[in-house]
Amino acid sequence: QQQVKQSPQSLIVQKGGISIINCAYENTAFDYFPWYQQFPGKGPALLIAIRPDVSEKKEGRFTISFNKSAKQFSLHIMDSQPGDSATYFCAASIESRRQLTFGSGTQLTVLP
Amino acid sequence: EAGVVQSPRYKIIEKKQPVAFWCNPISGHNTLYWYLQNLGQGPELLIRYENEEAVDDSQLPKDRFSAERLKGVDSTLKIQPAELGDSAVYLCASSPQGHNTEAFFGQGTRLTVV
Repeated sequence: QQQVKQSPQSLIVQKGGISIINCAYENTAFDYFPWYQQFPGKGPALLIAIRPDVSEKKEGRFTISFNKSAKQFSLHIMDSQPGDSATYFCAASIESRRQLTFGSGTQLTVLP
Repeated sequence: EAGVVQSPRYKIIEKKQPVAFWCNPISGHNTLYWYLQNLGQGPELLIRYENEEAVDDSQLPKDRFSAERLKGVDSTLKIQPAELGDSAVYLCASSPQGHNTEAFFGQGTRLTVV
C-alpha cells in the first residue's frame, strides 16, 4: 500500500524559476512531514519539515505548503538554481512510531 | 561531528553468496534504521533499533535477512543467501533520542547481485 504519493516523477525548470513538487497521503494519523534531498551517490538529507498545526513553513528559498483537509503537501523551490538539481523525496510519519514513509521521489533538473 | 558511516560503499557478489553491511551511527544517537532503496524509488524501512532492541522489523525478510546492533552502537545487516532481486542501495540512518523522526542518513551501500 502506497501511503504517500508523489508527483511529478521528473521536473525540468529553468534557472530562476519555481519548482513545485506535490505529495498526497492517506493515513490521517501522520503528524510529521519532511522533505529530503538526495544527490547521486549520497544518502537523503533533511531539507525542511512541517507539522500539521501550520499551513506553511519557509526556510530560505524552500517553502512547504500543507493542506490538512485535502491530505496534501507540497514543496516550492523559489529562484531554482542548477545546484538544486537532485532527487527530492517527501515523507510522512507518526512521530511516536519514529518511522518514515517515503514518496517515490522527483528528479529535479534546473537548467542554467 | 562525523555523520553516519557505512561500509562498504559498493559490493558485487554472485547470487546465493552471503553479504554483510556495516553501519556506525552518529555518536549519541539511540535510534538506528536500515532502509532499502531500489533504483528510482524512495527508501523503505527494513528494521529500526532503539538502542540494542529491534522494535520494528516487520518489513525485514527474515528468511534471508538478519541484523544486529550489539551494545546499541554499530549495526550489521546480513543477507544469506543473496538473490538477484536484492540488488539495491542499503541505507543506514540514525536519530537522536527524543528528536522525533528526523533521520540522518549515511551514503549507503550499493549491492549488485550477479
